[in-house]
Amino acid sequence: DVKVTQSSRYLVKRTGEKVFLECVQDMDHENMFWYRQDPGLGLRLIYFSYDVKMKEKGDIPEGYSVSREKKERFSLILESASTNQTSMYLCASSLLGGAREKLFFGSGTQLSVL
Amino acid sequence: AQTVTQSQPEMSVQEAETVTLSCTYDTSESDYYLFWYKQPPSRQMILVIRQEAYKQQNATENRFSVNFQKAAKSFSLKISDSQLGDAAMYFCAYLPRDTGNQFYFGTGTSLTVIP
Repeated sequence: DVKVTQSSRYLVKRTGEKVFLECVQDMDHENMFWYRQDPGLGLRLIYFSYDVKMKEKGDIPEGYSVSREKKERFSLILESASTNQTSMYLCASSLLGGAREKLFFGSGTQLSVL
Repeated sequence: AQTVTQSQPEMSVQEAETVTLSCTYDTSESDYYLFWYKQPPSRQMILVIRQEAYKQQNATENRFSVNFQKAAKSFSLKISDSQLGDAAMYFCAYLPRDTGNQFYFGTGTSLTVIP
């Protein structure tokens, strides 16, 4: 069974802390994505990666960075967490090319920044 | 720019009845995919149904069907014989077929099923 695993289901951090959200997929997918989900705003793309060490900005990259050192792992980094980054974060992955329409999601990390 | 609009933040339906969720989108592409995803309280996103724009026939998956109107850029989801397990947030999404890897999501519709 295919799997996208996010390391934490709930996370509470303090303002100014450096925060790492980890995502691992076991499907050998090239594409990996980080979305932010807020009520009334839907899913907004923060960053995505189509290969190791490659990254592309999404619609809301400000305040975030990413790291993809291995194909299966895609990390989202909040360099200095702020209260407006309190949100649900969803990781997803897909293949490249013709099969990329199959998007697989993790079960999300609810981050609270106090 | 591609945008996906869901104009119904909340909907409710009586158990066993039928409900339709609306979605419109804006694109200059001629070929693309459209999707409906379901997010139950577990937060795990589940693909409900997929439509390929070049196919005129509306997609159907058991109790779920779509009304795809390409000219109107409309893609509604019909849920027949609604069940309590259908209660969830539903997201409409768009992906261009040949360019890019980014999915574009709507803002979601929260569906309540009344017993």
